[in-house]
Amino acid sequence: EAEVAQSPRYKITEKSQAVAFWCDPISGHATLYWYRQILGQGPELLVQFQDESVVDDSQLPKDRFSAERLKGVDSTLKIQPAELGDSAMYLCASSLSRDRVGDTQYFGPGTRLTVL
Amino acid sequence: AQKITQTQPGMFVQEKEAVTLDCTYDTSDQSYGLFWYKQPSSGEMIFLIYQGSYDEQNATEGRYSLNFQKARKSANLVISASQLGDSAMYFCAMREGRWSGNTGKLIFGQGTTLQVKP
Repeated sequence: EAEVAQSPRYKITEKSQAVAFWCDPISGHATLYWYRQILGQGPELLVQFQDESVVDDSQLPKDRFSAERLKGVDSTLKIQPAELGDSAMYLCASSLSRDRVGDTQYFGPGTRLTVL
Repeated sequence: AQKITQTQPGMFVQEKEAVTLDCTYDTSDQSYGLFWYKQPSSGEMIFLIYQGSYDEQNATEGRYSLNFQKARKSANLVISASQLGDSAMYFCAMREGRWSGNTGKLIFGQGTTLQVKP
């Protein structure tokens, strides 16, 4: 069964350091999402790609966060510099497209980030 | 604006019994989709069930069913014959149609923690 891959699963870093997360969506999925989930809350969208193009980054803190999906396949989310408030679960999801309300988003295992 | 409300922070159910997790939503769009996900302590979000706003029948997937009441804007998840492995956080989520300007993102509720007792 096809799955969304993410790495690393866990990351501990000190504030002001740079961190990067990687996501490989299900093969053939054109739409890729990065969500951030603070402990005890539901996930919130950070950035969404359609193929290699960003279609929604309205909630991405662009002064410190960046995301890319250069070839329209896998994606990298970077934080530089990391702050204490960035401690959260970072979830990647993919779907076949964004055209239909029923296009299910499938999630990877997530990266749990702790900033000390 | 989209909004999902899950009013039950935590629920307990006895093994083998049925349990209902509540979800209400708010949207002015006519076309939308409702999803339920399960998140075990390991952290991954597992898709459970989907209901489209135009679907006339309630969705079912194995032991999961969705009690969709469109006029009341509710989409409650029913888990039948609870198992110990059902203990997890459950999230209700909504997605509006593209023509409303939505890019396809999911809006999640705050979640409900379910604990199944042996």
